[in-house]
Amino acid sequence: DTGVSQDPRHKITKRGQNVTFRCDPISEHNRLYWYRQTLGQGPEFLTYFQNEAQLEKSRLLSDRFSAERPKGSFSTLEIQRTEQGDSAMYLCASDALQGTGELFFGEGSRLTVL
Amino acid sequence: SQKIEQNSEALNIQEGKTATLTCNYTNYSPAYLQWYRQDPGRGPVFLLLIRENEKEKRKERLKVTFDTTLKQSLFHITASQPADSATYLCAPWANTDKLIFGTGTRLQVFP
Repeated sequence: DTGVSQDPRHKITKRGQNVTFRCDPISEHNRLYWYRQTLGQGPEFLTYFQNEAQLEKSRLLSDRFSAERPKGSFSTLEIQRTEQGDSAMYLCASDALQGTGELFFGEGSRLTVL
Repeated sequence: SQKIEQNSEALNIQEGKTATLTCNYTNYSPAYLQWYRQDPGRGPVFLLLIRENEKEKRKERLKVTFDTTLKQSLFHITASQPADSATYLCAPWANTDKLIFGTGTRLQVFP
């Protein structure tokens, strides 16, 4: 297993455009999380899935953000009508429901909105 | 509201010394607490987990303590090396389905 993978690693876009990030978790992990991290801050929770069900969304996740995990495997995070304030690192993590509590993170997708 | 505090100022220490990082939390009672390492531009990597009934946990040169009375965890790296330079994040977990992270402390070990 190659761990959690995220794509793209870097995305530069103009304000107002839509962007989509993909996360492929560790195959046997049924829980998947999205976090956002800005410079000098820790990761901030956005949302999480157990299998295909989205069980919690942070208030940080405005209606311009949507996340899906259609078959309980990979997940996508879409940001519509991007704003400069959306510039951040978007991190995906996964774990197993009956696991040790340790989160396995991907390398992140860095978004720059011009 | 729940709050996690880590020293936002960077910690600079000389190689070979022990680095001690602090994590304080308020307004909740975590069942366990995790520490992660994060290198620039990379995702966090899990280091250690300590449960509320454990006072201390060790892994190689790392040692974590957990004081539920003080609501504090200390993270120690003994015989520090320049390769230990990174940001260290603490994440107390309190019976929710998500892990909440502190802001992290940047450690710089110089030769």
